Amino acid sequence: EAGVVQSPRYKIIEKKQPVAFWCNPISGHNTLYWYRQNLGQGPELLIRYENEEAVDDSQLPKDRFSAERLKGVDSTLKIQPAELGDSAVYLCASSIGQADEAFFGQGTRLTVV
Amino acid sequence: AQSVTQLDSQVPVFEEAPVELRCNYSSSVSVYLFWYVQYPNQGLQLLLKYLSGSTLVESINGFEAEFNKSQTSFHLRKPSVHISDTAEYFCAVKKAGNTPLVFGKGTRLSVIA
Repeated sequence: EAGVVQSPRYKIIEKKQPVAFWCNPISGHNTLYWYRQNLGQGPELLIRYENEEAVDDSQLPKDRFSAERLKGVDSTLKIQPAELGDSAVYLCASSIGQADEAFFGQGTRLTVV
Repeated sequence: AQSVTQLDSQVPVFEEAPVELRCNYSSSVSVYLFWYVQYPNQGLQLLLKYLSGSTLVESINGFEAEFNKSQTSFHLRKPSVHISDTAEYFCAVKKAGNTPLVFGKGTRLSVIA
């Protein structure tokens, strides 16, 4: 089966510009996560979806970050405007249910200059 | 809230030597425990997990971890490492129920020929 697909793999933008990341989870996985991984750190949750509903977005900086998961499948994460401190790897993951492990995509490495 | 402490940020070890990567967690409720591995420029891959039952769990490539409830630990071990084991290793915890993974900061394992 295909894994979690993310695009783009790499993105370089100037500060104050907008950027968007896309994620296609594993078919049938109703739970989708966006994590941010700063250099030398572990991933930190930004937002979690159950189907199309965001059930945990307490760590999402809502002044500049937004996310959506249309029809409970694909998801996009947007930053507008980007800041230098947003440089990180953005990881998407999906899982079937509450006890299952999460399957991760390869991530999008964002560099803000 | 749960938290994970990985006591060593970097672990250098010679090829064919044994290794232990330490992980301690904090939680007031029952948890599931995971080890993920991240190779350079890749997403996270599940190495092994503890959900219930036997406290010793094994991966297909020779790693094992033991859940120790009294010491709140889930250390990862391998009796003989290979060059190909060079990677970043992340310990993660999640509460029972539909909750997200909480990751440690990671341990970089470097296997030296």
